[in-house]
Order: sequence, then C-alpha cells, then structure tokens
Amino acid sequence: SQKIEQNSEALNIQEGKTATLTCNYTNYSPAYLQWYRQDPGRGPVFLLLIRENEKEKRKERLKVTFDTTLKQSLFHITASQPADSATYLCAPSASGGSYIPTFGRGTSLIVHP
Amino acid sequence: EAGVAQSPRYKIIEKRQSVAFWCNPISGHATLYWYQQILGQGPKLLIQFQNNGVVDDSQLPKDRFSAERLKGVDSTLKIQPAKLEDSAVYLCASKPQGENTIYFGEGSWLTVV
Repeated sequence: SQKIEQNSEALNIQEGKTATLTCNYTNYSPAYLQWYRQDPGRGPVFLLLIRENEKEKRKERLKVTFDTTLKQSLFHITASQPADSATYLCAPSASGGSYIPTFGRGTSLIVHP
Repeated sequence: EAGVAQSPRYKIIEKRQSVAFWCNPISGHATLYWYQQILGQGPKLLIQFQNNGVVDDSQLPKDRFSAERLKGVDSTLKIQPAKLEDSAVYLCASKPQGENTIYFGEGSWLTVV
C-alpha cells in the first residue's frame, strides 16, 4: 500500500538557520508533490507544488526538491524565523483521474529565537 | 475571496449520539473533500465530490458516516452513532477546476466522550 513518511519527531532549530524537512514515499509514483503548512487549530495552507519533471522549486525563503529515483522530497526554509514554527505536511498525488492528495503525518518545526 | 466555511467549530457529544458538520466551499469550486485528522496524524480522506457526485468514498466508514452534496455546493457530513475513536478534526476542502491546489477550512473539532 502507499506510504508517506515524514519525521515524527519535532525539528528544533535556531533562528536564522536553514530548516530541512524530509518526505519519503513508497509504493507509488506521484506526478505532483505538495507541501502544506498547518498551525495549531487551523486547517492546512498550501505552500508549494513541484511536478515530477521538476527537480527544484523556489518561493521566497522556501525551496522544495523532488527526487523520483530516491522517492523523496526535501523542503527547506532558509533564514528561518520563529513565525515559521508550525507543522509541515507533504502530499504526493498521482496523475490522471480524480485528484486526491494523500497526506503524510507532518513534521513539527520549532524555530527558537 | 471568502475561504472554505465550516460549522460548528467545536462539538462535544456522547458516544452513540449523532452529529452533523456543514461545509460551504469557495464559490465556483467543483471539487469538495472531507478529511478526518486525528491528533498527531495527517489528514485522511473520507470522501471526494465532483459537483454533486461522489468520486471516491472508499475510506468512508459507511456503517456510521454519511455525506451529501445535493446541489453541488454545500456539503454535510454526518456521523451516527458516534464512537470514541471518531474524536478528530473534520476538515473540508475545495479545489477549483484545472488546478491542483486544495483550500482547507478551519475544521470542525469533534470530541466524543
């Protein structure tokens, strides 16, 4: 069955450093992979989408990579700030037919001032 | 642009009681999703609608859960009878045609005691 793995332990980093979050998937080949941010008590909010033919995508301080050989996506936040503290969810999705993102459990990021 | 609206925001019921959640998606979004998110886990898809038709309800526990989207706009998710393990956040999301980003509501928090 399809499986999405994200670090279950919280990632603690100091303000100004680069945070790197990992998403590994098995038993399927997604055409897209999205990253969402979720704050406590709120619904997830879309951040970035990367397609299978794209190696890297950037948006301001965010960068996502997608390695279909390793079946892995990395999500980077450069110059991290305490306001970046949240849970980050990855959501790979297959192409064709209905579009149904499947979410990982998320990794909690805590940025210390 | 108004976001995805959900109500009630919080609900506490006793086991074996029933509960209903309402969702109003973003105007013009044909696709609507209901996700269940248990504390510490990622959102799990319960059902997907395209207009007023069901696209995928394979993970909906149909013995106790039901959902409808009669006019292709608002949707209702019902649980009857509720079990303790149904305690979770129920997230509604919608997606515009031709895009891959889904937009979530703030969720309805259910506690079954």
